Amino acid sequence: NAGVTQTPKFRVLKTGQSMTLLCAQDMNHEYMYWYRQDPGMGLRLIHYSVGEGTTAKGKVPDGYNVSRLKKQNFLLGLESAAPSQTSVYFCASSYGGQGGTEAFFGQGTRLTVV
Amino acid sequence: GESVGLHLPTLSVQEGDNSIINCAYSNSASDYFIWYKQESGKGPQFIIDIRSNMDKRQGQRVTVLLNKTVKHLSLQIAATQPGDSAVYFCAEKSYGQNFVFGPGTRLSVLP
Repeated sequence: NAGVTQTPKFRVLKTGQSMTLLCAQDMNHEYMYWYRQDPGMGLRLIHYSVGEGTTAKGKVPDGYNVSRLKKQNFLLGLESAAPSQTSVYFCASSYGGQGGTEAFFGQGTRLTVV
Repeated sequence: GESVGLHLPTLSVQEGDNSIINCAYSNSASDYFIWYKQESGKGPQFIIDIRSNMDKRQGQRVTVLLNKTVKHLSLQIAATQPGDSAVYFCAEKSYGQNFVFGPGTRLSVLP
């Protein structure tokens, strides 16, 4: 049982480049989330999904897109990377978002945009 | 709007002492709270949770206290060990809303 797996773990991009971060969970969770973590700030929600084929904007969605084609996968895309997107990105999943259950996190992806 | 914060951004304790990490929240509708531990270079790990119909919940060496009157949450770690050194986040959630995370408190355990 791997839990939540993120790839890649590290990446350096040049400004304007694009990339996709992959998140996979093997817990059959309905809800999946993408957060970014910056120094001195709490985890901020970028986008989330309440089920296969659905996505929704979080608090800081600008510059990112997501897709949830399969229940177990949640992809985060950066179409044109900017230095402000330098951050550590965490994917998480949970059984249900409504009732309140813990979110399980991946190990993170450290992204640097130069 | 809803917000979650921490009173102490850093906390240093002697090994073997008890640690108390505090958290304030502003959304009175929040009904579910979690404490996470994040070690350097790793993702947050669930420690303990509590629902709003409870005031206290105990785990292994950890206790979470919830005071809804003053919107305050605390995490108590008994007999703090070097392996407890990490950043601790509180998170709150209300029905139909997503988690809101605090900025975190760094706990340093001194030998």
